[in-house]
Amino acid sequence: QVQLKESGPGLVQPSQTLSLTCTVSGFSLTSNSVHWVRQPPGKGLEWVGAIWSGGSTDYNSALKSRLSISRDTSKSQVFLKMNSLQTEDTAIYFCTRRLRDYWGQGVMVTVSS
Amino acid sequence: DIQMTQSPSFLSASVGDRVTINCKASQNINRYLNWYQQKLGEAPKLLIYNANSLQTGIPSRFSGSGSGTDFTLTISSLQPEDVATYFCLQHNSWFTFGSGTKLEIK
Repeated sequence: QVQLKESGPGLVQPSQTLSLTCTVSGFSLTSNSVHWVRQPPGKGLEWVGAIWSGGSTDYNSALKSRLSISRDTSKSQVFLKMNSLQTEDTAIYFCTRRLRDYWGQGVMVTVSS
Repeated sequence: DIQMTQSPSFLSASVGDRVTINCKASQNINRYLNWYQQKLGEAPKLLIYNANSLQTGIPSRFSGSGSGTDFTLTISSLQPEDVATYFCLQHNSWFTFGSGTKLEIK
């Protein structure tokens, strides 16, 4: 069955780089897009970026200068890297297939010294 | 960038009530509008895609309408399990979420 699972460090220091992994199963990354969405505690949802089935990427314009999304199709993994982290990047980070039917459980990332 | 204005931000209604939630886009997004339900501690769940198409497995009491800039999510008869926060998402030009509507039972 289709599953997505996010993993990564729960705590990141300010100005450091966040690295998250979304491991998927039950579908092919070469046939489906994967998006990242984040949600600060108690707040709304924000689209972060996406990697499309062909491997191209798109990013939220507000985050573009700090963000990179890539994938390893052989391992069914999608990677998010965001540098120069600030406290306002504290959020739950979700990966989702096509922003539609399947979402991961989310991983909480806290930016704090 | 397209902005999405969602209203109301908070809604309290009784079981059996008809409930409507609105999203207004800052420019024409055709019918590229999805609705999601998010319960506490869970990931969002897709309810409606492309303005009025019901996602598989979602109860028929949920419906969506609208096109262009104005969209509505309707719950025809509110049930206790519908307590959640609801978000709209435009996917006409990049992706923008509405600010959310927190729905509670009176």
